Amino acid sequence: DAKTTQPPSMDCAEGRAANLPCNHSTISGNEYVYWYRQIHSQGPQYIIHGLKNNETNEMASLIITEDRKSSTLILPHATLRDTAVYYCIVRVESNQFYFGTGTSLTVIP
Amino acid sequence: GEEVAQTPKHLVRGEGQKAKLYCAPIKGHSYVFWYQQVLKNEFKFLISFQNENVFDETGMPKERFSAKCLPNSPCSLEIQATKLEDSAVYFCASSSIWPYSNQPQHFGDGTRLSIL
Repeated sequence: DAKTTQPPSMDCAEGRAANLPCNHSTISGNEYVYWYRQIHSQGPQYIIHGLKNNETNEMASLIITEDRKSSTLILPHATLRDTAVYYCIVRVESNQFYFGTGTSLTVIP
Repeated sequence: GEEVAQTPKHLVRGEGQKAKLYCAPIKGHSYVFWYQQVLKNEFKFLISFQNENVFDETGMPKERFSAKCLPNSPCSLEIQATKLEDSAVYFCASSSIWPYSNQPQHFGDGTRLSIL
């Protein structure tokens, strides 16, 4: 019952923007999209979330398509410390998180 | 505290033994969640609490797994008669008011359970 699909891996050059895509074609109207990342085996770290409008904070930007079937996380200037597994998550009405299988992002010097 | 605190960091048990994991949510957070990460990238929701009440237990195995969140105590996840397949990292998360807010869940660093 996967609610999100992500590419398994991506590379990005240091200093360039990293664009991580996510498909969530079965998302319901009131379900939010969250992005987290996991570095090594630490706990998932919150990045950003949104419902239907684009969002930006000090870490990243989130672009959600008008039909809400997909979104893109943008790290504007990737650094080596951004190497991690990035999870696109749908939060359902019960507040439960449905994790995707994540994208392993490698930032290359 | 300002972070979700999970103890112990590592727990080793022989097959058939009991395992008990603890989670102290961020002070003031009303919701607590437990997730299991078995394979490297796969998270499975187990159970959530609103204060001391079970909110959603749809992910909890029917047998051997139980959880509690009692007032003035850390929340706990207990596994009776552990099996090899229970080996995983168990994450706890907490969040503030919902459904009137869309506050994110804050995760602890997990407890790595190894069943030998």
